[in-house]
Amino acid sequence: DIQMTQSPSSVSASVGDRVTITCRASQGISSWLAWYQQKPGKAPKLLIYAASSLQSGVPSRFSGSGSGTDFTLTISSLQPEDFATYYCQQANSFPHTFGQGTRLEIK
Amino acid sequence: EVQLVESGGGLVQPGGSLRLSCAASGFTFSSYWMHWVRQAPGKGLVWVSRINSDGSSTSYADSVKGRFTISRDNAKNTLYLQMNSLRAEDTAVYYCARPVARVWFDPWGQGTLVTVSS
Repeated sequence: DIQMTQSPSSVSASVGDRVTITCRASQGISSWLAWYQQKPGKAPKLLIYAASSLQSGVPSRFSGSGSGTDFTLTISSLQPEDFATYYCQQANSFPHTFGQGTRLEIK
Repeated sequence: EVQLVESGGGLVQPGGSLRLSCAASGFTFSSYWMHWVRQAPGKGLVWVSRINSDGSSTSYADSVKGRFTISRDNAKNTLYLQMNSLRAEDTAVYYCARPVARVWFDPWGQGTLVTVSS
């Protein structure tokens, strides 16, 4: 199975900050990567697919980049509703594995 | 509006069985592969199983292979997960999810909690 490793595991930031979360795959996955946002008690929500494509309805302050083994999710200017846990997911091969999550907390 | 609604979760003893359902609406259910993903309390997301659009092909995570069975009824727009020989480590919220372009999960249901405990 492909292992997905996110860093950091948690990060504290303030409204208006720029935040970057990293995801590394244990082997090359081309651009077969998605990012999800999950708030407490809620289902995950798709933000980014194919590494850099913004899902419909997702604010443009979210962006994704990378290919191969290294990927990033960037939030350009944090809003109060962005404080949540973020997961990456590889879709290059089954099983479609997820990263362990990055918890974004208010500073 | 595309909607997925899970049901069937609850408390079950180790070794017991449970069947989860996922009712789909707002899209042509019979055209889509479907997936189950679970999340243990306070933990991350783990893919469990998938089924193709007509139900003829299925896949499972190694941790549930031989114990869980995914199925669907396209006439009823419903996805199922039959869970047998349940273990404490199967305790989790179980989500059904529709894949976009077969691989990106969107949307997800609200989840149903399965607790395996004596």
